[in-house]
Amino acid sequence: AQSVTQLGSHVSVSEGALVLLRCNYSSSVPPYLFWYVQYPNQGLQLLLKYTTGATLVKGINGFEAEFKKSETSFHLTKPSAHMSDAAEYFCAVSGPGGGADGLTFGKGTHLIIQP
Amino acid sequence: IAGITQAPTSQILAAGRRMTLRCTQDMRHNAMYWYRQDLGLGLRLIHYSNTAGTTGKGEVPDGYSVSRANTDDFPLTLASAVPSQTSVYFCASSEGPGANVLTFGAGSRLTVL
Repeated sequence: AQSVTQLGSHVSVSEGALVLLRCNYSSSVPPYLFWYVQYPNQGLQLLLKYTTGATLVKGINGFEAEFKKSETSFHLTKPSAHMSDAAEYFCAVSGPGGGADGLTFGKGTHLIIQP
Repeated sequence: IAGITQAPTSQILAAGRRMTLRCTQDMRHNAMYWYRQDLGLGLRLIHYSNTAGTTGKGEVPDGYSVSRANTDDFPLTLASAVPSQTSVYFCASSEGPGANVLTFGAGSRLTVL
């Protein structure tokens, strides 16, 4: 079984400031970890994923995340926020089995960018 | 453009009525999923299918049924809609159950009155 906790349902940052969205996971097997982004009235798009190997993962639009096993975390960062980053962000965890043991999503973090 | 098509985009439905949400993908993905998205609850898995001819229950399957007669189509049926099924429904697919990089449709917004 697995679960995801996203800290903060809403995060507000100024344009140009650091973006940090927190995600902690629980998994009984080595996890696959994902960040998805959802823009208004759209489906979810993959930002980045971690399966194995390098623990620092780079994604689209300048985002990156670091897998820290000791902290069971997979926080998402971006050095400089842009107005176009305003969206809902979801962290997800999966075991290798898929199906009902496939992706489990967090409740989401709404990122607000202040001009 | 390859992807997932969901229909209808939006629907208002009287309680007790039957409703089928359609989902078609053209990527020849083996696995398909139905999620519902509710404010403050994130996405919850309703049903899934690892390959054509097989289906399974997710976290919140009650009141919903699915079928997977072929690779491309994965309809979700509400046999007798209730107001608690008011939600945004997303269909998704992946190459296989172990791949887990999901491609999502644009969603179907359902309101049950």
